[in-house]
Amino acid sequence: GAGVSQSPRYKVAKRGQDVALRCDPISGHVSLFWYQQALGQGPEFLTYFQNEAQLDKSGLPSDRFFAERPEGSVSTLKIQRTQQEDSAVYLCASSLTTGTMNTEAFFGQGTRLTVV
Amino acid sequence: GQNIDQPTEMTATEGAIVQINCTYQTSGFNGLFWYQQHAGEAPTFLSYNVLDGLEEKGRFSSFLSRSKGYSYLLLKELQMKDSASYLCAVRDNTGGFKTIFGAGTRLFVKA
Repeated sequence: GAGVSQSPRYKVAKRGQDVALRCDPISGHVSLFWYQQALGQGPEFLTYFQNEAQLDKSGLPSDRFFAERPEGSVSTLKIQRTQQEDSAVYLCASSLTTGTMNTEAFFGQGTRLTVV
Repeated sequence: GQNIDQPTEMTATEGAIVQINCTYQTSGFNGLFWYQQHAGEAPTFLSYNVLDGLEEKGRFSSFLSRSKGYSYLLLKELQMKDSASYLCAVRDNTGGFKTIFGAGTRLFVKA
């Protein structure tokens, strides 16, 4: 596709329910990032993949959060036993390469998760 | 760790110039980005600095001083459509190349 695609755009989950958020990065992009953005705040880093390798997951807020990118393309962010504090927009971004180049990240439209 | 500070809100007048400052602390600096984010939309790339100095791109310019841990985004000839949040982001190469964002500066452009 032409850009980063995320699905679903909106998700309402009951507290305790498991959810899976999907990200289709731009084809050929090596790096993939997940961010959590609360209302009125900047994106908070969750995790980072280089191809299929998860190089950094230091931002995942708890062990209920899990991300994978098994074939180095599509990624899934899974949240188990959702809590109200998980309500936020989850943004996925991809970039072509890593390193010192101007490798701007392209963001998807995000998934707005509301836990009720 | 990383720490990025920028003002929460700014207001400016259409046609004027506004400067949005950003200070940062990071252990492995590998470039600084500015993104624009309209309400309810995804962030979009504006500029990138990795060396000291000024980068100009149309109405937008970005400046970096690595020794001071300081950057600014300069917007000229402000238009109403420039009302948005402006996110300062620093790429850190400690254990990878993750990009950390500040909380953003909400800019209101008034007529």
